[in-house]
Amino acid sequence: LAKTTQPISMDSYEGQEVNITCSHNNIATNDYITWYQQFPSQGPRFIIQGYKTKVTNEVASLFIPADRKSSTLSLPRVSLSDTAVYYCLVGGTTSGTYKYIFGTGTRLKVLA
Amino acid sequence: DTGVSQDPRHKITKRGQNVTFRCDPISEHNRLYWYRQTLGQGPEFLTYFQNEAQLEKSRLLSDRFSAERPKGSFSTLEIQRTEQGDSAMYLCASSLVGLPLHFGNGTRLTVT
Repeated sequence: LAKTTQPISMDSYEGQEVNITCSHNNIATNDYITWYQQFPSQGPRFIIQGYKTKVTNEVASLFIPADRKSSTLSLPRVSLSDTAVYYCLVGGTTSGTYKYIFGTGTRLKVLA
Repeated sequence: DTGVSQDPRHKITKRGQNVTFRCDPISEHNRLYWYRQTLGQGPEFLTYFQNEAQLEKSRLLSDRFSAERPKGSFSTLEIQRTEQGDSAMYLCASSLVGLPLHFGNGTRLTVT
């Protein structure tokens, strides 16, 4: 089971690009990398998933180096509403890996 | 896609009482997960179902906890003889083939 490590907290200003890195040194060959956003009193919300290189959707980009031992979530031009806790979660998408373990996440605070 | 639904959103109970939570997953998802989250921590894995079969349970899930998923649709999590340490947010998630997970907004349990 891949264990993840993230910075505990980050501060940014509105309009800036924010990059949050997650370390997952023991990632398995068939593991995917997913990122979630969580606001207080809500469940985590899936943001983006990737396996290698770069993935982009309408809200974020995910950069994964060739060795896949880390990943970086990039949030372009953050706003106050992006203040939340961000989690990376690593695991397989095929049968055999059921127990997905969250780390403590990164608490992002966006300042005006 | 109506999302994962959890009921109730909030539950206050006295120590020693039994409580039951319900989770309705996304309809086509055959995998269902229960997590518990305390303030400032990431979600902790409790148990996992594939269809109606409960395939894995965390050691966190003491004998007072039981989860079911009859007919492979909705799931219930029951806590018997609640203790103050059971106070937490109980999160349900579902998925189709593993990651990504899709979470409900949780049930917040307060044991007085």
